[in-house]
Amino acid sequence: DAKTTQPNSMESNEEEPVHLPCNHSTISGTDYIHWYRQLPSQGPEYVIHGLTSNVNNRMASLAIAEDRKSSTLILHRATLRDAAVYYCILRETGSQGNLIFGKGTKLSVKP
Amino acid sequence: NAGVTQTPKFQVLKTGQSMTLQCAQDMNHNSMYWYRQDPGMGLRLIYYSASEGTTDKGEVPNGYNVSRLNKREFSLRLESAAPSQTSVYFCASRLAGNNEQFFGPGTRLTVL
Repeated sequence: DAKTTQPNSMESNEEEPVHLPCNHSTISGTDYIHWYRQLPSQGPEYVIHGLTSNVNNRMASLAIAEDRKSSTLILHRATLRDAAVYYCILRETGSQGNLIFGKGTKLSVKP
Repeated sequence: NAGVTQTPKFQVLKTGQSMTLQCAQDMNHNSMYWYRQDPGMGLRLIYYSASEGTTDKGEVPNGYNVSRLNKREFSLRLESAAPSQTSVYFCASRLAGNNEQFFGPGTRLTVL
């Protein structure tokens, strides 16, 4: 499985946008980009995923670079409840759905 | 829907004891997974079951066994617990053809 690189931690102010970067320079053409987040003392929860095009849902937006070697998760207005560890994960198309978690980015949100 | 449920929430074992962690999902999902998470780390896959009646090893299967009892339930057994198995264990499930995995709340296991 291709690896991802994320910053260990980031800080944001409440109600400001947050851009969480992820590098995946060895991504293959069949790898989906997934984002999960883990709130304190909880299991991970799905945020968003994409293949080539930018994606939007009620939680966030995913911006994928044209060469697919990097992507950015965008939280449009951070709230205190968004403080969590965010994981960027590559998953091969047609695989069993297995996710390979790295250490992720710990996002802190200041009021 | 309760989603993915796990029992127990907390457990303390002595080295050499055995126990089974239970996981159930009520979403009619095909695939189920067991992960462990050590402090400050991401999750690592122990075993998974792509469908009822099948199980496969993940990244860290040693010291564990699993049973896919039926479509709803997927249990993880530690036959002889070791301190290195102190961790938080998460169960997850996924509907075939869907990308999203749903996770349970976790079981915090301490082996003394």
